[in-house]
Amino acid sequence: EAGVVQSPRYKIIEKKQPVAFWCNPISGHNTLYWYLQNLGQGPELLIRYENEEAVDDSQLPKDRFSAERLKGVDSTLKIQPAELGDSAVYLCASSLGEQYFGPGTRLTVT
Amino acid sequence: QKEVEQDPGPLSVPEGAIVSLNCTYSNSAFQYFMWYRQYSRKGPELLMYTYSSGNKEDGRFTAQVDKSSKYISLFIRDSQPSDSATYLCATGEDTGRRALTFGSGTRLQVQP
Repeated sequence: EAGVVQSPRYKIIEKKQPVAFWCNPISGHNTLYWYLQNLGQGPELLIRYENEEAVDDSQLPKDRFSAERLKGVDSTLKIQPAELGDSAVYLCASSLGEQYFGPGTRLTVT
Repeated sequence: QKEVEQDPGPLSVPEGAIVSLNCTYSNSAFQYFMWYRQYSRKGPELLMYTYSSGNKEDGRFTAQVDKSSKYISLFIRDSQPSDSATYLCATGEDTGRRALTFGSGTRLQVQP
């Protein structure tokens, strides 16, 4: 069974530019998460979806971050405009009970 | 104070040693406990999960939870160089479908 797929794996952009990350969850998992992981820290939740509904987005900086999960499967996380402090690893996870993570997208903002 | 505190690394042990990794948590609502292993530049990989106090064993790994003291442990027996990674403890309030609260991770190095 395929795991959580994320792309791109790495992204380098200049500050103030937009960036988007894509996630394809494990088939049948209706709960999808986006986490942020800073260096030397554990993942922290940005947003959680149950099917296509965002049920917990309290930690998502809504002035620059947005996310969508059309049709309740794939999801996209966008940052516009990116700031230097957004450099981190963006992890997608999916769940039917236990959470399984993708490999992450490592973002560097210069 | 963070809701989940994890022993700082790095932890270096010789091959074959028994490794003990630990976390404490502060929220009594946490009922669900997990350990993830994360290799460099990879996503976290689920190792073990448990809902209750006590021990859960899976091969060389044993997860231990003491809800009365809010203490979580992971033991690795006969440690191997391939066990070298960062280990993250995580807790949640229900079955785990809500967001997990992670510790900051302990980096383990097993020396051959």
